[in-house]
Amino acid sequence: AQSVTQLGSHVSVSEGALVLLRCNYSSSVPPYLFWYVQYPNQGLQLLLKYTSAATLVKGINGFEAEFKKSETSFHLTKPSAHMSDAAEYFCAVLNTGGFKTIFGAGTRLFVKA
Amino acid sequence: ETGVTQTPRHLVMGMTNKKSLKCEQHLGHNAMYWYKQSAKKPLELMFVYSLEERVENNSVPSRFSPECPNSSHLFLHLHTLQPEDSALYLCASSLGLAGNTGELFFGEGSRLTVL
Repeated sequence: AQSVTQLGSHVSVSEGALVLLRCNYSSSVPPYLFWYVQYPNQGLQLLLKYTSAATLVKGINGFEAEFKKSETSFHLTKPSAHMSDAAEYFCAVLNTGGFKTIFGAGTRLFVKA
Repeated sequence: ETGVTQTPRHLVMGMTNKKSLKCEQHLGHNAMYWYKQSAKKPLELMFVYSLEERVENNSVPSRFSPECPNSSHLFLHLHTLQPEDSALYLCASSLGLAGNTGELFFGEGSRLTVL
């Protein structure tokens, strides 16, 4: 069975600081991995996805994530946080050939001025 | 037209009411989903439709009844709900299930409060 664990329900960074949101997954087959972002009162929007091509994936708004099979991780990073990055971020996994995307519990990112 | 549109955005209902949530996608996708988002819990997949056929019913209570009349529209009919059903209900679509690479396109959600 597939599952996703996001370490830290809340992360707070200063504007301009590195953003690191952690995600570990469990999957019995090669997975597709995703990061979604949710701004207040909105639905989820895809930030980036890994589908077995390059292990370093670049997404929108300067975010990127690295797939590390040996660590079963897919952490999300951004070199310099901006106030507009404050939102909730969800890591998700989909088994190749499947259709059930499983989401983590989410990490709320706070950005301090 | 935005990609996935949900109505109403907010709904308050009593436990004896009957109401429906509507979702419409303008992306030409073949698969549609209902997810439930409750505070401090992961998104829960409720139902999946592919080409108007239900392919997943994730142990959802019968007081939730989905309907997919065509590949662009998805409804969630609600009756005799409980207060614990209060949540944000998210509709999503994807290109299809065959060869699915998984990207989901979400609506803005319907915030349901059951009194």
